[in-house]
Amino acid sequence: AQSVAQPEDQVNVAEGNPLTVKCTYSVSGNPYLFWYVQYPNRGLQFLLKYITGDNLVKGSYGFEAEFNKSQTSFHLKKPSALVSDSALYFCAVRDMGTNAGKSTFGDGTTLTVKP
Amino acid sequence: DGGITQSPKYLFRKEGQNVTLSCEQNLNHDAMYWYRQDPGQGLRLIYYSQIVNDFQKGDIAEGYSVSREKKESFPLTVTSAQKNPTAFYLCASSELSGASTDTQYFGPGTRLTVL
Repeated sequence: AQSVAQPEDQVNVAEGNPLTVKCTYSVSGNPYLFWYVQYPNRGLQFLLKYITGDNLVKGSYGFEAEFNKSQTSFHLKKPSALVSDSALYFCAVRDMGTNAGKSTFGDGTTLTVKP
Repeated sequence: DGGITQSPKYLFRKEGQNVTLSCEQNLNHDAMYWYRQDPGQGLRLIYYSQIVNDFQKGDIAEGYSVSREKKESFPLTVTSAQKNPTAFYLCASSELSGASTDTQYFGPGTRLTVL
């Protein structure tokens, strides 16, 4: 079984400050991990993913995430937040032992960046 | 929203009526998915298909039906048996092999309201 948790429903940061959106996961084997972003009334957009290799993954719009196997976490980070980063963020996971494509999504975290 | 289109953007339905949501992709992806999104509940998988003429139930398939007669098309029918169909419906597609395995590309969504 695979599952993912986003412990914070809402994250508020000031523009220019660093931001972190948390994600923890549970899988039987090794994970594929993803972050997506959703703007109001739109579909999700892919930000970045971890498959294997370097634990620090860099993605779109200056976002990055760090895979931490011991803590089963994959937190999304950005050094300096922009107002335009305000959106709903989803973490997703797939256990490598399951069928390709069948990822499980978290419930989402709303990020608000204030000017 | 990449090469995936969903129509219509907004849909209103009377209770007791079936309605079909369209999803088309020109990305040549093997896999396609339907999700339902309700406020505060993230994405829930309704159905998915990994190959033409084959599909599997997701976590909340009751009251829904799909078909996959063509690789590029994966329509979703919301039947009168679905007790609470008002929601935002998202279609996605992905490759099942190669460097982009599991990365899902989402359509813009269809907002269904039952009157």
